[in-house]
Amino acid sequence: AQTVTQSQPEMSVQEAETVTLSCTYDTSESDYYLFWYKQPPSRQMILVIRQEAYKQQNATENRFSVNFQKAAKSFSLKISDSQLGDAAMYFCAYRSDNYGGSQGNLIFGKGTKLSVKP
Amino acid sequence: NAGVTQTPKFQVLKTGQSMTLQCAQDMNHEYMSWYRQDPGMGLRLIHYSVGAGITDQGEVPNGYNVSRSTTEDFPLRLLSAAPSQTSVYFCASSYSGGVGETQYFGPGTRLLVL
Repeated sequence: AQTVTQSQPEMSVQEAETVTLSCTYDTSESDYYLFWYKQPPSRQMILVIRQEAYKQQNATENRFSVNFQKAAKSFSLKISDSQLGDAAMYFCAYRSDNYGGSQGNLIFGKGTKLSVKP
Repeated sequence: NAGVTQTPKFQVLKTGQSMTLQCAQDMNHEYMSWYRQDPGMGLRLIHYSVGAGITDQGEVPNGYNVSRSTTEDFPLRLLSAAPSQTSVYFCASSYSGGVGETQYFGPGTRLLVL
């Protein structure tokens, strides 16, 4: 079974600086998808970025980018120019490449709470 | 599009009571799921459905029932609420559950069982 581990329960960053959130996962599959979700105090789950395992190029969405190391099974999220609105819980999630069934669901890490200091 | 909607936003139950958490989506998604979120545990899959009339269990299904009579709706039933079911519940949907598809989440229902 696949597992996702986020080893940093809490992180803090100064406004305008850069922070990296760590995520590692365990799988025997060669093709899969990885996601970072943001959960602000409103509790809404917001997709931040996704990465296809077959792509070597790291995904980027504006100030958010990932460092995907397939061999090391590592998927870190870098937030550049941090803003107060980035303060939230961040979840790393894995999704199998297999079609449908329970494999179509997400396996989540336990989350990292990010604080942004003004 | 309203996306994924959930009602109620917050509910207090007494032990032994039953209730239904509602979930609806207007994106014509076939694949729908229920997760629960507990402190320090991330989100865990309760039940899911790959289409109308088809449901299956996830990681933590005990104490919950689901049914899927229409594409749009996927209610979660608590048969006899227990304090261990105090949690935040999220419904999610995607087009087909196929490879790499993004799941879209509802705003969550916070449930407190006394």
